[in-house]
Amino acid sequence: DQQVKQNSPSLSVQEGRISILNCDYTNSMFDYFLWYKKYPAEGPTFLISISSIKDKNEDGRFTVFLNKSAKHLSLHIVPSQPGDSAVYFCAASGGGNTPLVFGKGTRLSVIA
Amino acid sequence: DAGVIQSPRHEVTEMGQEVTLRCKPISGHNSLFWYRQTMMRGLELLIYFNNNVPIDDSGMPEDRFSAKMPNASFSTLKIQPSEPRDSAVYFCASSLELWGELFFGEGSRLTVL
Repeated sequence: DQQVKQNSPSLSVQEGRISILNCDYTNSMFDYFLWYKKYPAEGPTFLISISSIKDKNEDGRFTVFLNKSAKHLSLHIVPSQPGDSAVYFCAASGGGNTPLVFGKGTRLSVIA
Repeated sequence: DAGVIQSPRHEVTEMGQEVTLRCKPISGHNSLFWYRQTMMRGLELLIYFNNNVPIDDSGMPEDRFSAKMPNASFSTLKIQPSEPRDSAVYFCASSLELWGELFFGEGSRLTVL
């Protein structure tokens, strides 16, 4: 049973527009959430994170929003650039001795 | 500082052969993870170690899979015998703590014919 779900396998956005990637989770014990970005033939790299005590975290063009009551988080990229084209993984953890649980990923294509 | 180092980057083998994937974590990291990436299941956690001790191997698909971490700077993932359905990209990752940010290697792409 998938505890972290990314229901959109792919997303296409025009350059300059906003990209919104969504993630849902089922485990209410999760309190730390991360987004990873993966280019072809490379390992995933950390992008941005948020803890459950916040509802928003921003880093440049990237903003993550957390809605705990809905068990939902989203990653906004504004403005989108062709270099943002990659697979984005959402991950969650409950802290303590529990490792990160990843979603299946969403492939973002930013079209020039 | 060097990141997580995996070898080989690519491995093509025939069904029934033994495959060994290797990983050197970032120095000072206490936790090491083996993941497998497939189209169907995304990033799937196979096994993880903390301070060289295996903590949870419930993600290992079958007894054909085994992993060791003989010391803090080296881990192996072995598949014996390999099968075509094992074809995937295998990632090793390390972190300072179990719930912290993971640092991934570049992956080992395995193709079993």
